Amino acid sequence: DAGVIQSPRHEVTEMGQEVTLRCKPISGHDYLFWYRQTMMRGLELLIYFNNNVPIDDSGMPEDRFSAKMPNASFSTLKIQPSEPRDSAVYFCASSLARGTGGRFGNTEAFFGQGTRLTVV
Amino acid sequence: AQSVTQLDSQVPVFEEAPVELRCNYSSSVSVYLFWYVQYPNQGLQLLLKYLSGSTLVKGINGFEAEFNKSQTSFHLRKPSVHISDTAEYFCASTGFQKLVFGTGTRLLVSP
Repeated sequence: DAGVIQSPRHEVTEMGQEVTLRCKPISGHDYLFWYRQTMMRGLELLIYFNNNVPIDDSGMPEDRFSAKMPNASFSTLKIQPSEPRDSAVYFCASSLARGTGGRFGNTEAFFGQGTRLTVV
Repeated sequence: AQSVTQLDSQVPVFEEAPVELRCNYSSSVSVYLFWYVQYPNQGLQLLLKYLSGSTLVKGINGFEAEFNKSQTSFHLRKPSVHISDTAEYFCASTGFQKLVFGTGTRLLVSP
């Protein structure tokens, strides 16, 4: 498997524009996570999905952010409208949960290379 | 609530010296624990993980960590560091589904 694939690797956009980040998880993985990394706030969990269903979006900073997972092999994170403070590296990660009672165990999260977003 | 605390934001060390990066976790449920490494302009890569069993876990690149339930710690150690170990190190935990990271520790190895 090629690993988690994110596109684009770099995105420069003007304030007010819509930005869409894309992620292809590892085939067979049932969890998908979106993180944002900045110098000031470190690595923040924005949202995660289990079997394509959003489970926890409490980390999404505001209504300008939205994420979807229409099928097991694709997810998007959209920012509309974008603002300079959204500039960050956005990571997607996927994992395969095993164990009992829905515990997230016996596995690890695999990360993509990230998308570096710059909003000017 | 589940959380991870990395006590040191930056750790400078000389090459071939030992190093310990500290991590404490807090959770109302049993957790699994991980250490990830991030090299500049790259994603995160798993160093090691604790799921169950032996509390001393060995990972890649000569790193190891010890799970201490009574102290709720999962410190990362390496007996002799190399220049190439210079990177950001993240401790992480999972309780029920969510994967939560600490704020990271930058390891700076100098000659």
